[in-house]
Amino acid sequence: AQKITQTQPGMFVQEKEAVTLDCTYDTSDQSYGLFWYKQPSSGEMIFLIYQGSYDEQNATEGRYSLNFQKARKSANLVISASQLGDSAMYFCAMREGKYDYKLSFGAGTTVTVRA
Amino acid sequence: NAGVTQTPKFQVLKTGQSMTLQCAQDMNHEYMSWYRQDPGMGLRLIHYSVGAGITDQGEVPNGYNVSRSTTEDFPLRLLSAAPSQTSVYFCASSHPEGNSPLHFGNGTRLTVT
Repeated sequence: AQKITQTQPGMFVQEKEAVTLDCTYDTSDQSYGLFWYKQPSSGEMIFLIYQGSYDEQNATEGRYSLNFQKARKSANLVISASQLGDSAMYFCAMREGKYDYKLSFGAGTTVTVRA
Repeated sequence: NAGVTQTPKFQVLKTGQSMTLQCAQDMNHEYMSWYRQDPGMGLRLIHYSVGAGITDQGEVPNGYNVSRSTTEDFPLRLLSAAPSQTSVYFCASSHPEGNSPLHFGNGTRLTVT
């Protein structure tokens, strides 16, 4: 079974608007972590934000925030005030358990920011 | 501050050839891993290592070997290349802490003809 599901293959957003990227996950572990990465067209993988399963507050990093809904097993990424440079592929990933360092990735969502 | 260094950046192989993708990190990370990225499939784990001398299989290990003789290096060997191994390969490393993100190399684009 897929551990990470990203249902939006591609999205368009107008510059300066906010966009939400969906991510649902499947785990039976109580301890886990959720990560979002950005992959621009140049190909490198850039870490954006992390949310731990025990974190009570939603994570935020600058214009990135994570809408963490534990009961629904969702960890949606919100990008506020979109910029042209936000055009990229975005991956949601999960690390399960306390001592397992493997990351499982979703299929990704391509975001295109329009001027 | 090099981070994770992968070589080569591009490679073309003929079916049946073997080769080694190199990966080195200078962050003293205990955990290292190899992923392949194919369109529509995200990143899939090939092999990983939690320290020197310790390696284990990931989701798609067939056709690949790894070794970890030092903390810094984690080479990936393709034993007999097949067209199905055409992909982009990423090496990544992290500290052994749950909230530690993976640091990625810049990738190797491999084509097998």
